[in-house]
Parts: sequence; C-alpha cells; structure tokens
Amino acid sequence: QVQLQESGPGLVKPSGTLSLTCAVSGGPISSGFWWSWVRQPPGKGLEWIGEAYHSGGTNYNPSLKSRVTVSVDKSKNQFSLELSSVTAADTAVYYCARNKGRIFDYWGQGAPVTVSS
Amino acid sequence: EIVMTQSPATLSVSPGERVTLSCRASQSVNSNLAWYQQKPGQAPRLLIYGVFTRATGIPDRFSGSGSGTEFALTISSLQSEDFAIYYCQQYNNWPPYSFGQGTKLEIK
Repeated sequence: QVQLQESGPGLVKPSGTLSLTCAVSGGPISSGFWWSWVRQPPGKGLEWIGEAYHSGGTNYNPSLKSRVTVSVDKSKNQFSLELSSVTAADTAVYYCARNKGRIFDYWGQGAPVTVSS
Repeated sequence: EIVMTQSPATLSVSPGERVTLSCRASQSVNSNLAWYQQKPGQAPRLLIYGVFTRATGIPDRFSGSGSGTEFALTISSLQSEDFAIYYCQQYNNWPPYSFGQGTKLEIK
C-alpha cells in the first residue's frame, strides 16, 4: 500500500521560500509514476502546482512556473516542493500526490502552510 | 488552460435520494475526466476516472457519464458517508491539470 507523508514548516514569512517534502513508502519512487503537488487555500478548491519524474522531467502550472521547483530524490524515496517569493495568497493546505496516468490515485494527508510575518 | 465549471455549488439532499452533479469543460477533454470526493479535514479521494471507471474500492452507487465537454456524477442512493465536496478534474490538456470549483453535498 503506497503512502505519502508531507513535512515542512507550517509558517513562512512573506517574500520567503516555502519548502515541503513528501516521503513515499510502499514502493520505489522510481516506479514509473509522476509525483505532484496540489494546494487548497482555506475554504477554496484544488489547484495543481507541478509534477516531477524520477529521471528529472518536470511540468508546472504556468501561473506558478516562475516561482516553483519540484524535484525527486531517489536515494531518500521522496520528492520536494519549493515555492519562492511567497505572499499571503500562497497560504493553503499543500498535498502531495501520485500521478497514475495523469490522475491522482494516492494523496498525502496535507500540510497546512501559513504565510505571515 | 481548460476551465472546469461545476454546478450547483451546493446541493441539499436527503439520505436515500438519487443525485446528479454536473461538470462542464471550456473545451473538449475527450474522456479524460476524473471525479474526487473530499471530506472535511481529509485529502481528496479518487472516485472515478476515464469518465466511467470506478477506482478501487468505490461502491457501485457512484457512476459517471458524459463526453467531450459535459459530464455528470450520479450517486444512486445517498448514504450518510457520501455528504462531502466533489471535484471534477480534466487531464486531457496539461499543464495544467485543472479542477472544478467543487459541489458540496449537504444533508437536507
């Protein structure tokens, strides 16, 4: 059974960089899937942020592309999100998820992140 | 970017009723349409993909239909555990994958 678990700071200062990690268990991260980040602002819907493949390929939401990096660390069986120049609008619950055929079949429990000074 | 529009935003229904939720795409997404269920404080859960195919463990009271730009999720007989928010997602044109804004099912 695949499990995903997000970790990282719950509070980030404005103009800083949000950094989260998603630990994958129950299978190797290099097993042929893409790995995504999705966020949900308080009381709002879901927004896909970006995805990465174990060999280094990435795709990003054009609305966030200039600020986002998603990467895979095969040695630790985890993947990461970095979002730079954050503002209050980036306050959200951040989910990591596995892409299987471009659908999200496994999700982490979510990591709440607040941007505030 | 393909915009997904769900209607209605909120639906008040009674347990045991049949309900249909709608999802419209701003352009054709062929059959590349999925549905997710989200309960308060939980991550979304995959219900249906490829318009019709139920994910593992999803009961058969959930069914999907549609093609092109118009899609529906039907729950044949609402159970108490079905009261949640439902999102559709297109994966035909990406990036980005795009979600609808959600339909909240609440108890009447």
